[in-house]
Order: sequence, then structure tokens, then C-alpha cells
Amino acid sequence: AQSVAQPEDQVNVAEGNPLTVKCTYSVSGNPYLFWYVQYPNRGLQFLLKYITGDNLVKGSYGFEAEFNKSQTSFHLKKPSALVSDSALYFCAVRPLITRNYQLIWGAGTKLIIKP
Amino acid sequence: DTGVSQNPRHKITKRGQNVTFRCDPISEHNRLYWYRQTLGQGPEFLTYFQNEAQLEKSRLLSDRFSAERPKGSFSTLEIQRTEQGDSAMYLCASSSLRDNEQFFGPGTRLTVL
Repeated sequence: AQSVAQPEDQVNVAEGNPLTVKCTYSVSGNPYLFWYVQYPNRGLQFLLKYITGDNLVKGSYGFEAEFNKSQTSFHLKKPSALVSDSALYFCAVRPLITRNYQLIWGAGTKLIIKP
Repeated sequence: DTGVSQNPRHKITKRGQNVTFRCDPISEHNRLYWYRQTLGQGPEFLTYFQNEAQLEKSRLLSDRFSAERPKGSFSTLEIQRTEQGDSAMYLCASSSLRDNEQFFGPGTRLTVL
């Protein structure tokens, strides 16, 4: 079965420190990979995507993600965390083997940045 | 605002009643998706339209659920004979034929009493 795993329910980071939110996936073929962020009482916002090319992709709000094909991972990173980064982060995958465009989602990781 | 909009934002209903939600996608987007999200979980795919054609339906979408996109623009999601287990956030997203990222609306929170 195709799946996306976010192994940490919650990540705590001090403001100014680097952060990493982990994501691994199990899908057939070479999928498209996405990160979204969800703030309280707001919709999901697109952060970044990996389609092909450079394994390090840059996105909104200073976030970046590194694609590792051998480890089937797509970890989200930021060099210096801000308190305003505190939110729920979702990793999503679109398997290319299917004709539809649905995304398979991880369960989410709550990121807490402490001042 | 040219983003995805959803109405209503909140709906409280009694078990057994029918409810209908509306989604207005970004105007130039051909693809429209419905998802359901419960607390502490990622979104679960429900169904997908390309223009007016419903191309994919999840097994989660029981026969009490129906979705339409009659003119290839806005879409409606109807739940008949609601059950308490239907309580969730219903999310709509849209995307263009060219780009792969989906843009989400704020969601409709359904509470079935």
C-alpha cells in the first residue's frame, strides 16, 4: 500500500535554531513531493514541491526540502526558526503511476518554536 | 481575493439531515478536489474533477455522498442522511493543468449532533 510517514507527532525547536521536519514515503515510481503548512483555523498553504532536478528545493518563508531517492525521504528544513513558524506541517505525495491527481498525505507534524 | 472559497465555513446539523457544501475554485483551474480531514490526521482524498467530469472517487465516498461540478466551475458536495461519523473538516482544492500544486480553500467544518 502506498503511504507517507511523518514519524514525529511534534517537533520542538528554540527560536533561531535550525529545524527539520521528517517525511518518508512508500509509493511506486518517482512521485511528486509536496510540503504544506496549516495554521489554526486556516486552510492548507502550499510551501514547496519537488518534481525533478536538483534534490534541494526552496520554497516559501525560507523553507527548503531535500529529496533523497535512496532513502525515499523528503525532509523539510529551515536554517533559523521563527516563532511564527509554529504550525502543523504536512508532507504529501502524488504517485505518477496513477492517472488521477490525488495526493497521499502524512498525518502531520506539529512544529513548536519557543522564544 | 482570487483564492479558493468554500461555503459555509461551519455547519451544524442533526443526524439524518442532508447537507450541501459549495466550493469555488481559482477561476482558471480545471482540476478540483474534495478531501476530508479529521483532527490530528492529514486530509483524505474523496473525489476529483477535471472540468465537469468526475474522474476519481475514493472508496471513502459512500453512496450517501455525491459531488457535482456541472459547468466545470464551482462544485457541490452533498451528504445525505448525515451520521455523527461524518463530522469533519471538508476541504476543497484546485489546480491548473500545468502546475502540480493544489491550492486549498479554508474548509467547511461539519458537526453532526
